[in-house]
Amino acid sequence: ETGVTQTPRHLVMGMTNKKSLKCEQHLGHNAMYWYKQSAKKPLELMFVYNFKEQTENNSVPSRFSPECPNSSHLFLHLHTLQPEDSALYLCASSQVLAGDNEQFFGPGTRLTVL
Amino acid sequence: QQQVKQSPQSLIVQKGGISIINCAYENTAFDYFPWYQQFPGKGPALLIAIRPDVSEKKEGRFTISFNKSAKQFSLHIMDSQPGDSATYFCAAQRGSARQLTFGSGTQLTVLP
Repeated sequence: ETGVTQTPRHLVMGMTNKKSLKCEQHLGHNAMYWYKQSAKKPLELMFVYNFKEQTENNSVPSRFSPECPNSSHLFLHLHTLQPEDSALYLCASSQVLAGDNEQFFGPGTRLTVL
Repeated sequence: QQQVKQSPQSLIVQKGGISIINCAYENTAFDYFPWYQQFPGKGPALLIAIRPDVSEKKEGRFTISFNKSAKQFSLHIMDSQPGDSATYFCAAQRGSARQLTFGSGTQLTVLP
């Protein structure tokens, strides 16, 4: 595997289900991100992990719970979601430096909440 | 508050034509402006980027023009090809955490 991988690629869940999204980066980066991508809207940054420590939580509802066990893996635990949470969830990683910060994205998980 | 405004939302161009996508930002703390390209079923990928101390950057058929005083920047795709059909996002970066703020995206279609 190369780059950033995400599983599953597609997920359909009911509002009472609990599921988890997984992201793995094979680039040796020290920062990982979760984004939400909805149609015709900007990518919304949800969470940032820098050296496994959560540094940003952009007012995300508690029904989304991130976990970063090490610098290569990132999870997004989902529970009691709402239909409006249906979107493409993108994971990204980067090597955070003082200068530029190119983020490498995975292909995303297409989530549908029924 | 949307800090990076992008237009147009969609764009149709004939093969060989010039595609132009515009973005405007509000926060003068932004210090790095990348453009990302996203194909269906894929995540966004960095296409080209510019710093505000430069007014123009060119890489092949792709050029960023930057107007610091107007707080605007644009992507020009010369000799557009059907393979350029994708969604393009402008973005702006700031702060020690180097967070990216994205525009809403432009869906480009290049007709053969």
